[in-house]
Amino acid sequence: EPEVTQTPSHQVTQMGQEVILRCVPISNHLYFYWYRQILGQKVEFLVSFYNNEISEKSEIFDDQFSVERPDGSNFTLKIRSTKLEDSAMYFCASSPRKVTGIYQPQHFGDGTRLSIL
Amino acid sequence: AQSVTQLDSQVPVFEEAPVELRCNYSSSVSVYLFWYVQYPNQGLQLLLKYLSGSTLVKGINGFEAEFNKSQTSFHLRKPSVHISDTAEYFCAVTPRTGANNLFFGTGTRLTVIP
Repeated sequence: EPEVTQTPSHQVTQMGQEVILRCVPISNHLYFYWYRQILGQKVEFLVSFYNNEISEKSEIFDDQFSVERPDGSNFTLKIRSTKLEDSAMYFCASSPRKVTGIYQPQHFGDGTRLSIL
Repeated sequence: AQSVTQLDSQVPVFEEAPVELRCNYSSSVSVYLFWYVQYPNQGLQLLLKYLSGSTLVKGINGFEAEFNKSQTSFHLRKPSVHISDTAEYFCAVTPRTGANNLFFGTGTRLTVIP
């Protein structure tokens, strides 16, 4: 069964540095998402992406964050200047083309644990 | 706006006993409802979903959930748990229209005791 893959599984970065988290969605999927989960807290929506642009974003997704689909297969999340509070597990998800009246579930990757020192 | 409340942060239960994990939601629009499971160091796996029709939905691994519109609840149940069911369980909702972003509860850690 096709999977969403995320790399790296664990990223350690110094505060203030830029970090890029990478995701390879399932190949025929068209909708892409990033979520994060701070240790011990709930999973929170960050951003959704469709047709090469952001569809929706949460309050968390401020100017320090950006997303990109640089080559038609990867979907990346960039944090420009990391802060201690960015330490979390980041999940990528994808879903297929929408069919009117039929919900298409999101498929999640195993996540990247980001640790800011 | 949508919000999801999982009242129990931790639920210990003996092996082969039944379990219910509670979930309540609030939303100003119609939503789809989901339960996801997260095993240690893994991503989120969809257990089951309610889209429409019968309010009792069955999922993988013997789990089922019942949608109660009047009580805005979507409780998860299993009649007999196994050790392998030990995991974190998340209830989630998404609006029926729009980008289908998921809104999660805070999770319930189910620990099955041998």
